[in-house]
Amino acid sequence: SQTIHQWPATLVQPVGSPLSLECTVEGTSNPNLYWYRQAAGRGLQLLFYSVGIGQISSEVPQNLSASRPQDRQFILSSKKLLLSDSGFYLCAWSSPAGYNSPLHFGNGTRLTVT
Amino acid sequence: AQKVTQAQTEISVVEKEDVTLDCVYETRDTTYYLFWYKQPPSGELVFLIRRNSFDEQNEISGRYSWNFQKSTSSFNFTITASQVVDSAVYFCALSEVSGANSKLTFGKGITLSVRP
Repeated sequence: SQTIHQWPATLVQPVGSPLSLECTVEGTSNPNLYWYRQAAGRGLQLLFYSVGIGQISSEVPQNLSASRPQDRQFILSSKKLLLSDSGFYLCAWSSPAGYNSPLHFGNGTRLTVT
Repeated sequence: AQKVTQAQTEISVVEKEDVTLDCVYETRDTTYYLFWYKQPPSGELVFLIRRNSFDEQNEISGRYSWNFQKSTSSFNFTITASQVVDSAVYFCALSEVSGANSKLTFGKGITLSVRP
């Protein structure tokens, strides 16, 4: 069966520090991968998605970036965190079959920028 | 542009009551998919159901049922005989037809509290 691992679970970082969140998927090949952010009291916002190694699409301009160095690895990064980057970050995967495929989410990372 | 509206933000019920969570969507696509997800206090999102735009049959799964009405662009979710374990945030989502990926537009979620 497929599983998705996301770490760390919680993170407290000062403003201006770098960020690296990692997500890996097991049990499937060539998944579509996604990073979502959930700010307090708001819905989920798609940040990045990837349909293959090295292929990253950004949905919103921001100081975050994403990379996919391996088929089942997706990394969210920042060189300098802002207070507004605080939130709950969720990685997800879906089958490459298309838009009817449900997303399967990791357990999330709660990031607090102080 | 795609849009999902969950007008209810918080609902509180007593155990065993029935509760309906509303979802209204906007899309220009003729083919699309709708989803419901549950986010318990632990944080992970759990996939509950998927419905395609050509299938307006209502669906029942245990205490859960879904009412999809294309005429009103609604995809409502009813929990019958609610239980404390149903307490969670529930998200409705709409897929965007964009090739090989499942870009979902989510509503802002409904926080359901079921009191014993």
